[in-house]
Amino acid sequence: ETGVTQTPRHLVMGMTNKKSLKCEQHLGHNAMYWYKQSAKKPLELMFVYNFKEQTENNSVPSRFSPECPNSSHLFLHLHTLQPEDSALYLCASSQGRELAGGHNEQFFGPGTRLTVL
Amino acid sequence: ILNVEQSPQSLHVQEGDSTNFTCSFPSSNFYALHWYRWETAKSPEALFVMTLNGDEKKKGRISATLNTKEGYSYLYIKGSQPEDSATYLCAPRMDSSYKLIFGSGTRLLVRP
Repeated sequence: ETGVTQTPRHLVMGMTNKKSLKCEQHLGHNAMYWYKQSAKKPLELMFVYNFKEQTENNSVPSRFSPECPNSSHLFLHLHTLQPEDSALYLCASSQGRELAGGHNEQFFGPGTRLTVL
Repeated sequence: ILNVEQSPQSLHVQEGDSTNFTCSFPSSNFYALHWYRWETAKSPEALFVMTLNGDEKKKGRISATLNTKEGYSYLYIKGSQPEDSATYLCAPRMDSSYKLIFGSGTRLLVRP
């Protein structure tokens, strides 16, 4: 157990659906991250929040909409997705404060396996 | 675009064998290197964070070395066990950036 949970673990949705992925961390961290792993590709950073402020949007299409209501929770709202968005979506958290510098070790959740039909 | 290479892509070994694999990254502007172990259907688990040239870290039967001048790190597993079967990911950080740039991983399968 890493202290980072994600729900649901699996999600199948149609292209016209709206759904949300949820991440919760119990580590007292202040920074949270969304990553995407497509088949046969490395993990790609999507969004970063530090103290609830978005500090990174890695050119992610607007059909992915993150929300960070507090330092413990992170959501990824999905709408009008495409089949090529099918992937494993991982959440991570780290201590925050100064994201740069220090080890800033990231702790990962188990991911949500998303399939878009 | 930062190029992080891990080799081999996959590796099958027999229980008891020792094994090692490589992570290569650009040597300029290096800040830190993270190694993760990722079992199927579980969360990636942090193994090591390495920062200094010549660093060696050890955790049980797993150890890692770092060469920042030539841009590579080796991960060694001594006396592999079936429970070591996982994907091993490396992720360098450059210029003290918080961003981890992940390699594609080495998938290790240890046969009993």
